[in-house]
Amino acid sequence: GQSLEQPSEVTAVEGAIVQINCTYQTSGFYGLSWYQQHDGGAPTFLSYNALDGLEETGRFSSFLSRSDSYGYLLLQELQMKDSASYFCAVRASGNTPLVFGKGTRLSVIA
Amino acid sequence: DAGITQSPRHKVTETGTPVTLRCHQTENHRYMYWYRQDPGHGLRLIHYSYGVKDTDKGEVSDGYSVSRSKTEDFLLTLESATSSQTSVYFCAIKPGDTGELFFGEGSRLTVL
Repeated sequence: GQSLEQPSEVTAVEGAIVQINCTYQTSGFYGLSWYQQHDGGAPTFLSYNALDGLEETGRFSSFLSRSDSYGYLLLQELQMKDSASYFCAVRASGNTPLVFGKGTRLSVIA
Repeated sequence: DAGITQSPRHKVTETGTPVTLRCHQTENHRYMYWYRQDPGHGLRLIHYSYGVKDTDKGEVSDGYSVSRSKTEDFLLTLESATSSQTSVYFCAIKPGDTGELFFGEGSRLTVL
């Protein structure tokens, strides 16, 4: 089976940096993904890490350590619009479906 | 835009009635998925399809069936809806070989 752990809630100040952690336990590992979901909306893809290291996309970065079964999403220069839920998801192999964590609700405050 | 639509977007039904949700894609992707989302549970996989007439169960498949007779359509059926199936249902497609899924806008189902 597969399980993922991520904090349920995080609060951060506008303009600051926040890190959302994700640890996983899987029978196999193909890659770690991150999704953003605003209230009432659909999840949207943010990033994907298959290899160790940091991937940067604008204000968002994602990190993976396969040896530690750990990854994180880093959001810089936080904006109010970043208030949303963030989900990590893993795939055990190339053709198996994504399994999602329960999500982290990020609140950005002024 | 991934070209994925779900219908209906909202539905209220009564316990014991059958319900079918439709997912339609215009991109001709092989893989399609149905997830349900409930507070505190994140997204949980119900069923998925890896081709026409090729489907498999997910984590929470009990009480659900699916069909895929055409590449573009993936149907989710609740044979006899129960209140525990009140949820938001998301369809998704996998356009490539990464961890990227494109989700539909969701179908909110309420079973009274």
